[in-house]
Amino acid sequence: DTEVTQTPKHLVMGMTNKKSLKCEQHMGHRAMYWYKQKAKKPPELMFVYSYEKLSINESVPSRFSPECPNSSLLNLHLHALQPEDSALYLCASSDDTTNTEAFFGQGTRLTVV
Amino acid sequence: QQPVQSPQAVILREGEDAVINCSSSKALYSVHWYRQKHGEAPVFLMILLKGGEQKGHDKISASFNEKKQQSSLYLTASQLSYSGTYFCGRGTGANNLFFGTGTRLTVIP
Repeated sequence: DTEVTQTPKHLVMGMTNKKSLKCEQHMGHRAMYWYKQKAKKPPELMFVYSYEKLSINESVPSRFSPECPNSSLLNLHLHALQPEDSALYLCASSDDTTNTEAFFGQGTRLTVV
Repeated sequence: QQPVQSPQAVILREGEDAVINCSSSKALYSVHWYRQKHGEAPVFLMILLKGGEQKGHDKISASFNEKKQQSSLYLTASQLSYSGTYFCGRGTGANNLFFGTGTRLTVIP
């Protein structure tokens, strides 16, 4: 199984809502990532988890809160988002090294209204 | 932190060749190449780990000039399936990957 599964595929939320994005992989990968991608732009790295510990936070606002409950799951908790946070949120996983490929999920398309 | 790619966009006829360049102002510990089709996830193409390394499979290959902090992706005898946006990625030696600005490739019959 070389899939990274993200749910939901689409999400519309108000600025006062709290929601969560979920990502799951069963490849035994120990590094998991959240990226944000705006239309016609490259994916921007947000967070990296390595062995279930947050190893990198690319100065992401605190309204985005990541969580790694176990080695197969990665969540992104959303609270008090702004319309400019609307984007495609991609999850990826890889072996715990930068020298291997990253497998990406299909993403969650988030719209903040 | 983001590598710069050129060209930004290119249109090819089937069978033509293309070169996509990736240039970084910061050190490149490794270079990754991905292709993303519209509405889909990025898909891994290859990784280059050492300066001077060249890799390829099928008709897509790449080179890595570590000293110049540059990499190039070569697509030969392009096929319709090659259409998409190509991203290089800068590996930093830690567990992170910064994508380049992207090159939109369109192959027409």
